[in-house]
Amino acid sequence: AQSVTQLDSQVPVFEEAPVELRCNYSSSVSVYLFWYVQYPNQGLQLLLKYLSGSTLVKGINGFEAEFNKSQTSFHLRKPSVHISDTAEYFCAVISSNDYKLSFGAGTTVTVRA
Amino acid sequence: NAGVTQTPKFQVLKTGQSMTLQCAQDMNHNSMYWYRQDPGMGLRLIYYSASEGTTDKGEVPNGYNVSRLNKREFSLRLESAAPSQTSVYFCASTPDGVGTEAFFGQGTRLTVV
Repeated sequence: AQSVTQLDSQVPVFEEAPVELRCNYSSSVSVYLFWYVQYPNQGLQLLLKYLSGSTLVKGINGFEAEFNKSQTSFHLRKPSVHISDTAEYFCAVISSNDYKLSFGAGTTVTVRA
Repeated sequence: NAGVTQTPKFQVLKTGQSMTLQCAQDMNHNSMYWYRQDPGMGLRLIYYSASEGTTDKGEVPNGYNVSRLNKREFSLRLESAAPSQTSVYFCASTPDGVGTEAFFGQGTRLTVV
């Protein structure tokens, strides 16, 4: 079985500053990794995903993430945030031999002017 | 294109009452999922259905039952609601459940008093 740990529950950040959200996973087999965003009172939508190939993946809204197999991490970054990036962010993993999509506890990002 | 549709959006139940949460997707996806979202705990998998005719338990199945009625529909039933089941419930679907994006409904906010 796989699991996901998001290392920060809340991240306050000023507008136009960079942000990094940390995610570590564990699995005995190869994995597929995802970042989802949830805006207030809405469902989740996909930001980006890593399936294979280049370890640096780019997503929507200027976000990118880097897969590090040796450190079992998939950290999300954005070089310059906007007020509209205020949301909850979830890291998720699915093992290559399973159908269960597991989520981390979430990181709440609050962007202040 | 409706995507994943959940009904109802809001529900208040008394302890001991039963109800069924409905979920339907129109994307011809094979796999469907039910999650509950609680503050600080992220999304926890209740049940999932890898394909029509199959269902499996997730992390927190106790107190719930599911039915994969056909390829489109996956319902979640609470036989005897408890206050601990107060939560926001999300239904999701994926084309084949492995390495593909999950599409989420807008959620059902359930309160058990």
